[in-house]
Amino acid sequence: SAVISQKPSRDICQRGTSLTIQCQVDSQVTMMFWYRQQPGQSLTLIATANQGSEATYESGFVIDKFPISRPNLTFSTLTVSNMSPEDSSIYLCSVQGEADTQYFGPGTRLTVL
Amino acid sequence: GENVEQHPSTLSVQEGDSAVIKCTYSDSASNYFPWYKQELGKRPQLIIDIRSNVGEKKDQRIAVTLNKTAKHFSLHITETQPEDSAVYFCAANGRGRRALTFGSGTRLQVQP
Repeated sequence: SAVISQKPSRDICQRGTSLTIQCQVDSQVTMMFWYRQQPGQSLTLIATANQGSEATYESGFVIDKFPISRPNLTFSTLTVSNMSPEDSSIYLCSVQGEADTQYFGPGTRLTVL
Repeated sequence: GENVEQHPSTLSVQEGDSAVIKCTYSDSASNYFPWYKQELGKRPQLIIDIRSNVGEKKDQRIAVTLNKTAKHFSLHITETQPEDSAVYFCAANGRGRRALTFGSGTRLQVQP
């Protein structure tokens, strides 16, 4: 499976600021996704990161709050904008490998004060 | 869209016993059903998956069964060990989707 890294691994931010999370894969992948996992909860899809075009957002998530870039087939960024304490979560990127299998990055633990 | 329900939310078993976690899905077009194990502070790890053209799949102590008619699938862990203690998530892909919809998770505790 692909090796996936995320930066930063964790951060503590002040409300009203923005944080950009990076996801790097060691091989080219067609599909990349961003998920959110709130404390003690399940994983919720934020958006599908499309290479060369705008991301596809799930209901309840908007581009102004979570802008996503995908400049090539190995890299994507998720920005959490104008943060509030409710944005405190783990943010995970995932990639799709062979035959629909999905693998997750190590996650970014975000705390907003 | 797809909706996945998972039961139970917590499960405690004695070491060596079997554990069963069940999920139901809503979209009959879903054709891919993975299971993930997440240990505390770590990323979800794919442990087994099944596709809609298969009724059962086994990998050592882990097995998954799928009933397309009833739209439910289950994870079976035999001869449980303390290192099986974790949160387990089921998921399904939904109609025409590549992304996954996850169940709410089951916290499995294996008592030594």
